[in-house]
Amino acid sequence: ELKVEQNPLFLSMQEGKNYTIYCNYSTTSDRLYWYRQDPGKSLESLFVLLSNGAVKQEGRLMASLDTKARLSTLHITAAVHDLSATYFCAVDKASGSRLTFGEGTQLTVNP
Amino acid sequence: DTEVTQTPKHLVMGMTNKKSLKCEQHMGHRAMYWYKQKAKKPPELMFVYSYEKLSINESVPSRFSPECPNSSLLNLHLHALQPEDSALYLCASSQDVPGGRTYEQYFGPGTRLTVT
Repeated sequence: ELKVEQNPLFLSMQEGKNYTIYCNYSTTSDRLYWYRQDPGKSLESLFVLLSNGAVKQEGRLMASLDTKARLSTLHITAAVHDLSATYFCAVDKASGSRLTFGEGTQLTVNP
Repeated sequence: DTEVTQTPKHLVMGMTNKKSLKCEQHMGHRAMYWYKQKAKKPPELMFVYSYEKLSINESVPSRFSPECPNSSLLNLHLHALQPEDSALYLCASSQDVPGGRTYEQYFGPGTRLTVT
């Protein structure tokens, strides 16, 4: 059974600071997705990582994938309040059309 | 057009009611999904349709009945629900190829369901 673990689950940080969210998964996969969810809203796709060593950046967020370590990171640079949301990573099991989500990281950026 | 639409946005129903949730996409995707999401939890997969055929049912109770009338539409029929079924119901779609690999899933805005 594929398991996906995120940490931290809760993150409170000040504006202007940097931090990293980690996503570990338990079985072989070469596809990992990061989503953002605002309270009461749907999931917004942030990054699609499709191969070992993939790195993608959008604004203050950068995501990377290490399939050998079964680890993805979401790095936040110089956080701003607008980044406050819950961030989910999700892994595509290599043999089926099913995403397994992590528990989510609830990020709060304080002024 | 990368939009998935869902109706209604909110639904309140009694335990004896019958209602339906609707989802539509016009991206040419051939895989469509229903998820249930409780507060502060990740989405839980309920059903997957691939090429209008049900390919995955995650042991969902029969009071939830999915239907895929065509490649653009996905319905979720609800009957005799319980209060614990109150949640955000999300529809998603993605490209799909034979063999079942999933691609990036695009999520709709969700239906907030309250069962009284």
